[in-house]
Amino acid sequence: QVTLKESGPVLVKPTETLTLTCTVSGFSLSDATVGVSWIRQPPGKALEWLAHIFSIDEKSFSTSLKSRLTISKDTSKSQVVLTMANMDPVDTATYYCARIAPGNWFDPWGQGTLVTVSS
Amino acid sequence: SYVLTQPPSVSVAPGKTASITCGGNNIGTKSVHWYQQKPGQAPVLVIYYDSDRPSGIPERFSGSNSGNTATLIISRVEAGDEADYYCQVWDRSGDHPVFGGGTKLSVL
Repeated sequence: QVTLKESGPVLVKPTETLTLTCTVSGFSLSDATVGVSWIRQPPGKALEWLAHIFSIDEKSFSTSLKSRLTISKDTSKSQVVLTMANMDPVDTATYYCARIAPGNWFDPWGQGTLVTVSS
Repeated sequence: SYVLTQPPSVSVAPGKTASITCGGNNIGTKSVHWYQQKPGQAPVLVIYYDSDRPSGIPERFSGSNSGNTATLIISRVEAGDEADYYCQVWDRSGDHPVFGGGTKLSVL
């Protein structure tokens, strides 16, 4: 059974850097056919893709957030880590990680983690 | 960048058919995927490759894609289908996914 689970702080202060970890099971991050994405959803709003990473270490970032994001993976720990610098209250959202299937859809998704940015 | 347009809301009576559209320039040339998101839950894939259903998704869910519009069709709508629905494609020019703005399905 494939699962993903997000972990990280529930509250961060403005200007701080957010670090989120996605721990996967049921598949290997070295599998050449899959990748992992981070996607967020502000309260009451739509889904917004942030970044992804594939097994060959190919990475891609949202154009509007590229300067603030990094993504990396630790295959031995089955973890994908996203960092977002200079957090702002508008970054308050539920952050999801999801597996990218070979056909470029997302399945499954993690349960999500709500991150609030406030002083 | 590529834009997907969905109606903000669709309402349907129980037992009837709901159609949720997803508009995009020549979207018929792309593969469209659909997700269902119930309140407080993560999105769940309900349709991939325009019209294929993952295991466990009822046959009442189907999809089509042609021209500038893709459509998610839910037949014999039930109260439990009330949710937000999102379409998604992969923008190859930018090598990243694009999501529609979501449609809230209300069952009257």
